[in-house]
Amino acid sequence: DQQVKQNSPSLSVQEGRISILNCDYTNSMFDYFLWYKKYPAEGPTFLISISSIKDKNEDGRFTVFLNKSAKHLSLHIVPSQPGDSAVYFCAGSGTYKYIFGTGTRLKVLA
Amino acid sequence: DAGVIQSPRHEVTEMGQEVTLRCKPISGHNSLFWYRQTMMRGLELLIYFNNNVPIDDSGMPEDRFSAKMPNASFSTLKIQPSEPRDSAVYFCASSFELAGNEQFFGPGTRLTVL
Repeated sequence: DQQVKQNSPSLSVQEGRISILNCDYTNSMFDYFLWYKKYPAEGPTFLISISSIKDKNEDGRFTVFLNKSAKHLSLHIVPSQPGDSAVYFCAGSGTYKYIFGTGTRLKVLA
Repeated sequence: DAGVIQSPRHEVTEMGQEVTLRCKPISGHNSLFWYRQTMMRGLELLIYFNNNVPIDDSGMPEDRFSAKMPNASFSTLKIQPSEPRDSAVYFCASSFELAGNEQFFGPGTRLTVL
């Protein structure tokens, strides 16, 4: 049972344009949602999070939107840069666990 | 701080052999997590320790897998006997306390079981 789903395994975007990565979840008990970024041969690193009581959180070029009624969140990267090319994981957090999705590989084309 | 340290970075072994993966969490962190990354299932939580005590091992796939945390600075994940389907990247992560706190991941161990 995949509680967190990232239905797009990959995405390609031109440098300077917007990247939108999507994530759907089924567990209404999550109280935080997080995005992690992973480069090859490295561990995932935290990127941005959002509390379940908010609908938007912004940090520089990165914005996460949460639509609780649709059980959907998205990560917007504007403008996209070649260094953003990585695998992005979304996760829902309950009491102590993170439940991760399968990841979306973003490629930003120069 | 050096971050979460994992060893080995790569392990190639033959089916039936015992495999031991090691992790040193960030000093001062009291929560430690073992994850497995596969293409099909993404990052799966295998087991979670808090203050060196296993709290939730419901993600451990089967009895062939075991994990220990003898002290606050060291943990092992053992697979005995290993099987080809265990091939994956195994990550260790640590955090301070529990929910809502950022988990810091190690670089992972890429395991290949032939």
